Amino acid sequence: KNEVEQSPQNLTAQEGEFITINCSYSVGISALHWLQQHPGGGIVSLFMLSSGKKKHGRLIATINIQEKHSSLHITASHPRDSAVYICAVTTYGQNFVFGPGTRLSVLP
Amino acid sequence: NAGVTQTPKFQVLKTGQSMTLQCAQDMNHEYMSWYRQDPGMGLRLIHYSVGAGITDQGEVPNGYNVSRSTTEDFPLRLLSAAPSQTSVYFCASSGTGRAYEQFFGPGTRLTVL
Repeated sequence: KNEVEQSPQNLTAQEGEFITINCSYSVGISALHWLQQHPGGGIVSLFMLSSGKKKHGRLIATINIQEKHSSLHITASHPRDSAVYICAVTTYGQNFVFGPGTRLSVLP
Repeated sequence: NAGVTQTPKFQVLKTGQSMTLQCAQDMNHEYMSWYRQDPGMGLRLIHYSVGAGITDQGEVPNGYNVSRSTTEDFPLRLLSAAPSQTSVYFCASSGTGRAYEQFFGPGTRLTVL
């Protein structure tokens, strides 16, 4: 069993839809990260969480430490949001453990 | 700041050849790491370093060497390339002031024939 799991693996949405991507983990963590990777592109950090909720523009990330679960929400989705979204955790060190990613396609 | 830079962006090798993937950062980060990304799998840690002169193995270190002679540079060496090393390689760095947010390089796409 992978230490970090994500669902769904693939997601297709219509422009304007509300999107949720889920992440669950099975190890003790110091922080959880949401990353974005555009096709053929590099990896950018969206959020780093250790508790509660963070918001940046149309993106919202939440974490429930007790349930070992995090969600990434995208409101009013747009085709430019099409990317792979990766959940990663840092355990009690600095190494990342990555989830397999969720491939999101937003259709106009 | 240039952030994290990697060279080359693309590389094709023949089985048995050796090469070095370069990684540099200008943020004075102590922690640097190398990952590989394969289709259908999450990024996997190859090697990492917590400071100049200190390196350690990650999840998939076989076939790769690293060294860290300066804070800025963290090259990854493929000793004798194999087709199983065909992958996209990412270098990343982080400091300790922001609870380990990592900054990633643009990646190197390596094909071993």
